[in-house]
Amino acid sequence: GEDVEQSLFLSVREGDSSVINCTYTDSSSTYLYWYKQEPGAGLQLLTYIFSNMDMKQDQRLTVLLNKKDKHLSLRIADTQTGDSAIYFCAESRSSGTYKYIFGTGTRLKVLA
Amino acid sequence: NAGVTQTPKFRVLKTGQSMTLLCAQDMNHEYMYWYRQDPGMGLRLIHYSVGEGTTAKGEVPDGYNVSRLKKQNFLLGLESAAPSQTSVYFCASSYSPSGVNEQFFGPGTRLTVL
Repeated sequence: GEDVEQSLFLSVREGDSSVINCTYTDSSSTYLYWYKQEPGAGLQLLTYIFSNMDMKQDQRLTVLLNKKDKHLSLRIADTQTGDSAIYFCAESRSSGTYKYIFGTGTRLKVLA
Repeated sequence: NAGVTQTPKFRVLKTGQSMTLLCAQDMNHEYMYWYRQDPGMGLRLIHYSVGEGTTAKGEVPDGYNVSRLKKQNFLLGLESAAPSQTSVYFCASSYSPSGVNEQFFGPGTRLTVL
Protein backbone atom coordinates (compact mmCIF):
# COMPACT_ATOMS: atom_id res chain seq x y z
CA GLY A 1 0.00 0.00 0.00
CA GLU A 2 0.94 3.64 -0.20
CA ASP A 3 -0.23 4.86 3.16
CA VAL A 4 1.31 7.75 4.98
CA GLU A 5 0.31 7.64 8.61
CA GLN A 6 0.34 10.18 11.41
CA SER A 7 -1.18 10.41 14.84
CA LEU A 8 -4.23 12.67 14.84
CA PHE A 9 -3.60 14.93 17.83
CA LEU A 10 -0.75 16.41 19.83
CA SER A 11 -0.97 18.87 22.69
CA VAL A 12 2.04 20.72 24.14
CA ARG A 13 2.67 23.65 26.44
CA GLU A 14 4.00 26.92 25.06
CA GLY A 15 7.80 26.94 25.15
CA ASP A 16 8.11 23.15 25.03
CA SER A 17 9.28 21.19 21.99
CA SER A 18 6.77 19.44 19.76
CA VAL A 19 7.57 16.27 17.86
CA ILE A 20 5.22 15.18 15.11
CA ASN A 21 5.78 11.74 13.64
CA CYS A 22 5.00 10.18 10.29
CA THR A 23 5.49 6.74 8.76
CA TYR A 24 5.39 6.01 5.08
CA THR A 25 5.51 2.86 3.01
CA ASP A 26 6.96 3.80 -0.38
CA SER A 27 10.68 3.13 -0.36
CA SER A 28 11.07 4.91 -3.71
CA SER A 29 10.11 8.27 -2.21
CA THR A 30 12.47 11.01 -3.29
CA TYR A 31 11.31 13.98 -1.30
CA LEU A 32 9.43 14.12 1.96
CA TYR A 33 7.60 17.24 2.97
CA TRP A 34 5.96 18.91 5.92
CA TYR A 35 3.02 21.19 5.25
CA LYS A 36 1.17 23.39 7.74
CA GLN A 37 -2.54 24.16 7.56
CA GLU A 38 -3.82 27.01 9.70
CA PRO A 39 -7.55 27.19 10.51
CA GLY A 40 -9.67 28.03 7.48
CA ALA A 41 -6.70 28.11 5.12
CA GLY A 42 -4.94 25.99 2.56
CA LEU A 43 -1.69 24.13 3.13
CA GLN A 44 1.69 25.84 3.05
CA LEU A 45 5.03 24.16 2.65
CA LEU A 46 7.06 24.35 5.86
CA THR A 47 10.10 22.32 4.96
CA TYR A 48 11.23 19.29 3.02
CA ILE A 49 14.02 16.74 3.05
CA PHE A 50 15.63 14.83 0.24
CA SER A 51 15.59 11.09 0.76
CA ASN A 52 19.39 10.76 0.91
CA MET A 53 19.57 13.05 3.96
CA ASP A 54 19.13 12.08 7.61
CA MET A 55 18.47 15.47 9.08
CA LYS A 56 17.64 18.99 8.09
CA GLN A 57 17.49 22.01 10.36
CA ASP A 58 15.72 25.25 9.54
CA GLN A 59 15.53 27.75 12.43
CA ARG A 60 13.12 26.21 14.98
CA LEU A 61 12.35 23.23 12.76
CA THR A 62 14.31 19.97 12.68
CA VAL A 63 13.39 17.18 10.30
CA LEU A 64 14.71 13.68 10.96
CA LEU A 65 14.48 10.90 8.42
CA ASN A 66 15.04 7.22 9.18
CA LYS A 67 14.90 5.52 5.80
CA LYS A 68 15.34 2.03 7.20
CA ASP A 69 12.21 2.35 9.34
CA LYS A 70 10.45 4.70 6.86
CA HIS A 71 9.94 7.18 9.67
CA LEU A 72 9.90 10.96 9.38
CA SER A 73 9.61 13.43 12.22
CA LEU A 74 9.24 17.17 12.61
CA ARG A 75 10.52 18.81 15.77
CA ILE A 76 9.42 22.35 16.56
CA ALA A 77 11.57 23.97 19.22
CA ASP A 78 10.14 26.57 21.63
CA THR A 79 6.59 25.94 20.41
CA GLN A 80 4.41 29.06 20.26
CA THR A 81 0.64 29.50 20.18
CA GLY A 82 0.99 30.54 16.54
CA ASP A 83 2.24 27.02 15.79
CA SER A 84 -1.23 25.62 16.53
CA ALA A 85 -2.32 24.09 13.22
CA ILE A 86 -2.64 20.81 11.36
CA TYR A 87 0.65 19.41 10.10
CA PHE A 88 0.74 17.08 7.12
CA CYS A 89 3.62 14.98 6.00
CA ALA A 90 3.75 14.06 2.34
CA GLU A 91 5.97 12.10 0.02
CA SER A 92 6.67 12.23 -3.67
CA ARG A 93 8.44 9.80 -5.91
CA SER A 94 11.25 10.48 -8.29
CA SER A 95 11.12 13.37 -10.69
CA GLY A 96 8.59 13.52 -13.44
CA THR A 97 5.57 12.29 -11.58
CA TYR A 98 2.67 14.24 -10.20
CA LYS A 99 2.12 11.74 -7.44
CA TYR A 100 2.16 13.23 -4.01
CA ILE A 101 0.79 11.24 -1.08
CA PHE A 102 -0.38 13.11 2.00
CA GLY A 103 -0.62 11.79 5.51
CA THR A 104 -3.77 12.08 7.57
CA GLY A 105 -2.56 15.22 9.36
CA THR A 106 -1.68 15.88 13.03
CA ARG A 107 -3.56 18.60 14.84
CA LEU A 108 -1.13 20.43 17.15
CA LYS A 109 -2.64 22.38 20.01
CA VAL A 110 -0.33 24.68 21.95
CA LEU A 111 -1.47 25.52 25.46
CA ALA A 112 -0.55 28.92 26.90
CA ASN B 1 0.42 38.21 -6.81
CA ALA B 2 -2.78 36.61 -5.55
CA GLY B 3 -1.31 33.07 -5.74
CA VAL B 4 -4.06 30.45 -5.93
CA THR B 5 -7.65 31.59 -5.52
CA GLN B 6 -10.82 29.54 -5.30
CA THR B 7 -14.47 30.46 -5.73
CA PRO B 8 -16.82 30.05 -4.05
CA LYS B 9 -15.62 29.75 -0.44
CA PHE B 10 -18.77 28.01 0.77
CA ARG B 11 -21.67 26.29 -0.93
CA VAL B 12 -24.67 24.22 0.08
CA LEU B 13 -26.26 21.98 -2.53
CA LYS B 14 -29.18 19.61 -2.58
CA THR B 15 -28.65 16.05 -3.75
CA GLY B 16 -28.73 15.92 -7.54
CA GLN B 17 -27.79 19.56 -8.12
CA SER B 18 -24.75 20.51 -10.14
CA MET B 19 -22.04 23.09 -9.60
CA THR B 20 -18.61 24.18 -10.76
CA LEU B 21 -15.71 25.17 -8.54
CA LEU B 22 -13.23 27.58 -10.05
CA CYS B 23 -9.51 27.66 -9.33
CA ALA B 24 -7.22 30.35 -10.69
CA GLN B 25 -3.47 30.82 -10.32
CA ASP B 26 -1.28 33.71 -11.42
CA MET B 27 2.12 32.03 -11.09
CA ASN B 28 2.27 30.59 -14.60
CA HIS B 29 2.34 27.07 -13.17
CA GLU B 30 1.98 24.11 -15.52
CA TYR B 31 0.57 21.64 -13.02
CA MET B 32 -2.75 22.04 -11.25
CA TYR B 33 -4.55 19.70 -8.86
CA TRP B 34 -7.90 19.24 -7.16
CA TYR B 35 -7.97 17.53 -3.75
CA ARG B 36 -10.65 16.81 -1.25
CA GLN B 37 -10.02 16.86 2.50
CA ASP B 38 -12.08 14.70 4.81
CA PRO B 39 -11.57 14.24 8.57
CA GLY B 40 -8.95 11.62 9.39
CA MET B 41 -8.20 10.95 5.72
CA GLY B 42 -5.73 13.63 4.74
CA LEU B 43 -5.92 15.00 1.22
CA ARG B 44 -6.94 12.80 -1.66
CA LEU B 45 -6.28 13.72 -5.27
CA ILE B 46 -9.39 13.94 -7.45
CA HIS B 47 -8.01 15.09 -10.82
CA TYR B 48 -4.94 16.90 -12.02
CA SER B 49 -3.65 18.65 -15.10
CA VAL B 50 -0.13 18.78 -16.55
CA GLY B 51 -0.82 21.75 -18.80
CA GLU B 52 -3.42 23.71 -20.72
CA GLY B 53 -5.90 21.41 -22.43
CA THR B 54 -4.90 18.29 -20.44
CA THR B 55 -6.58 16.51 -17.54
CA ALA B 56 -6.05 13.18 -15.80
CA LYS B 57 -7.66 11.14 -13.04
CA GLY B 58 -6.29 10.98 -9.54
CA GLU B 59 -7.21 8.65 -6.68
CA VAL B 60 -10.91 9.50 -6.30
CA PRO B 61 -12.22 10.84 -9.65
CA ASP B 62 -15.70 9.30 -9.67
CA GLY B 63 -18.54 11.83 -9.69
CA TYR B 64 -16.27 14.72 -10.76
CA ASN B 65 -15.19 16.23 -14.05
CA VAL B 66 -12.54 18.85 -14.76
CA SER B 67 -11.45 21.18 -17.51
CA ARG B 68 -8.33 23.26 -18.15
CA LEU B 69 -9.16 25.47 -21.10
CA LYS B 70 -6.75 28.19 -19.99
CA LYS B 71 -3.41 27.65 -18.28
CA GLN B 72 -4.36 29.77 -15.29
CA ASN B 73 -7.75 28.15 -14.59
CA PHE B 74 -8.76 24.67 -13.49
CA LEU B 75 -12.47 23.93 -13.07
CA LEU B 76 -13.97 21.11 -11.01
CA GLY B 77 -17.52 20.08 -11.83
CA LEU B 78 -20.05 18.02 -9.93
CA GLU B 79 -22.80 16.97 -12.32
CA SER B 80 -25.14 15.38 -9.79
CA ALA B 81 -24.06 16.07 -6.22
CA ALA B 82 -24.31 13.36 -3.57
CA PRO B 83 -24.00 13.64 0.24
CA SER B 84 -20.72 11.66 0.01
CA GLN B 85 -19.26 14.67 -1.80
CA THR B 86 -19.63 16.85 1.28
CA SER B 87 -16.03 17.88 1.88
CA VAL B 88 -13.51 20.69 1.75
CA TYR B 89 -12.04 21.03 -1.72
CA PHE B 90 -8.57 22.40 -2.30
CA CYS B 91 -6.95 23.43 -5.51
CA ALA B 92 -3.17 23.50 -5.81
CA SER B 93 -0.62 24.34 -8.46
CA SER B 94 3.06 23.68 -9.01
CA TYR B 95 5.66 24.71 -11.56
CA SER B 96 6.55 21.14 -12.38
CA PRO B 97 6.72 17.85 -10.49
CA SER B 98 10.48 17.62 -10.93
CA GLY B 99 12.79 18.22 -8.01
CA VAL B 100 11.23 19.82 -4.98
CA ASN B 101 7.64 19.83 -6.10
CA GLU B 102 6.27 22.58 -3.88
CA GLN B 103 2.54 22.79 -4.27
CA PHE B 104 0.78 26.09 -3.65
CA PHE B 105 -2.72 25.76 -2.24
CA GLY B 106 -5.84 27.85 -2.45
CA PRO B 107 -7.89 28.63 0.68
CA GLY B 108 -10.44 25.87 0.02
CA THR B 109 -14.14 25.56 -0.74
CA ARG B 110 -16.38 24.04 1.89
CA LEU B 111 -19.18 22.13 0.17
CA THR B 112 -22.17 20.61 1.93
CA VAL B 113 -24.56 18.35 0.03
CA LEU B 114 -27.90 17.78 1.75
